[in-house]
Amino acid sequence: DTGVSQDPRHKITKRGQNVTFRCDPISEHNRLYWYRQTLGQGPEFLTYFQNEAQLEKSRLLSDRFSAERPKGSFSTLEIQRTEQGDSAMYLCASSFSHLVQTGELFFGEGSRLTVL
Amino acid sequence: DAKTTQPNSMESNEEEPVHLPCNHSTISGTDYIHWYRQLPSQGPEYVIHGLTSNVNNRMASLAIAEDRKSSTLILHRATLRDAAVYYCILSNAGKSTFGDGTTLTVKP
Repeated sequence: DTGVSQDPRHKITKRGQNVTFRCDPISEHNRLYWYRQTLGQGPEFLTYFQNEAQLEKSRLLSDRFSAERPKGSFSTLEIQRTEQGDSAMYLCASSFSHLVQTGELFFGEGSRLTVL
Repeated sequence: DAKTTQPNSMESNEEEPVHLPCNHSTISGTDYIHWYRQLPSQGPEYVIHGLTSNVNNRMASLAIAEDRKSSTLILHRATLRDAAVYYCILSNAGKSTFGDGTTLTVKP
């Protein structure tokens, strides 16, 4: 296990379609985070899990967005009825919960979404 | 969430030191200061973190003001590979708020 992996790396879709992204965190990490990053901006927090529990969701996460982490390992982020404004890089990160203040976040390389 | 303020961009010459400033005047007593950097088409990468004391690691040094309202990331000898966007963030139970960061350009 060399790090956080995300799939797909790139996704082009038409407006109105549904898309799903997958994140596989570092295996020992029990916390998993989703961020969204648009061009020229820093990452924006969307949601995070501790094990399988979703502990917090940002107001940025509209009803069209849903994230799951069913077995406390990998996570999926689904966007329904995509809009052009959803075009962004979706970043996943993981960490140890007992090191949340001092420990680092390990980020994947992201999944870039383009909505036409 | 407590926020940070960084200059939009900075330039440095290769092999010279770089001091990247960050202001965080609303920092709380339990907030750790973290720095990440992001290369093009990659996710952010951890650089260093600290609470009150200055910190050194193989990548950089972190100088924290006595009142903790500002900090400076120090790259002792910039290389072309250090060209990136540098983010200063405050850790809040792992949910970190990133600003827009400082784009560092390194000139050969």
